[in-house]
Amino acid sequence: AQSVTQLDSHVSVSEGTPVLLRCNYSSSYSPSLFWYVQHPNKGLQLLLKYTSAATLVKGINGFEAEFKKSETSFHLTKPSAHMSDAAEYFCVVSDTGSGNTGKLIFGQGTTLQVKP
Amino acid sequence: NAGVTQTPKFQVLKTGQSMTLQCAQDMNHNSMYWYRQDPGMGLRLIYYSASEGTTDKGEVPNGYNVSRLNKREFSLRLESAAPSQTSVYFCASSVNEKLFFGSGTQLSVL
Repeated sequence: AQSVTQLDSHVSVSEGTPVLLRCNYSSSYSPSLFWYVQHPNKGLQLLLKYTSAATLVKGINGFEAEFKKSETSFHLTKPSAHMSDAAEYFCVVSDTGSGNTGKLIFGQGTTLQVKP
Repeated sequence: NAGVTQTPKFQVLKTGQSMTLQCAQDMNHNSMYWYRQDPGMGLRLIYYSASEGTTDKGEVPNGYNVSRLNKREFSLRLESAAPSQTSVYFCASSVNEKLFFGSGTQLSVL
């Protein structure tokens, strides 16, 4: 069964510094991987999606993530944090080749704090 | 554009009571999901439905039942609510594995 582990429950950065949110996955098949963001009292929004077309995926709001099969990782990065990036971020995995198409499993979430 | 609509937004139950959370989507999506969100645990999949007439268990199905009434609607039923089921519940639908979420139901079981 597929699973995903977000290695940090809480990350704190200063405004203007780089952001790194770490995610490792476990999957028996070629996975699809996603990052979602949830701002306080808001719904979840898709940041980006990996589906094997390219290992470096660019998303919205300046975020990007790199798929590394050898490390089973899909870390989310941004060169320069903005105050508006403060939110909870979720890494999500889907096994597209297992017959469970569309079964999407979330990580535990990482809360990003951005300090002025 | 309504998207995914779930009702009710808030609910308080006593232990042992039953209730059904309703969800409907107007985007003609095949796949629909029920998740629960608890602090520090992310979103955990309760049940999902890959298409009309099919349902499958997720990570935490115990204590819940679902019904995919038609392509639009996917309901979640708690037969005998327990305090451990206090949570925020999200319904979602998807196309090409992109999830579209409802606004959530905050459920408290006393």
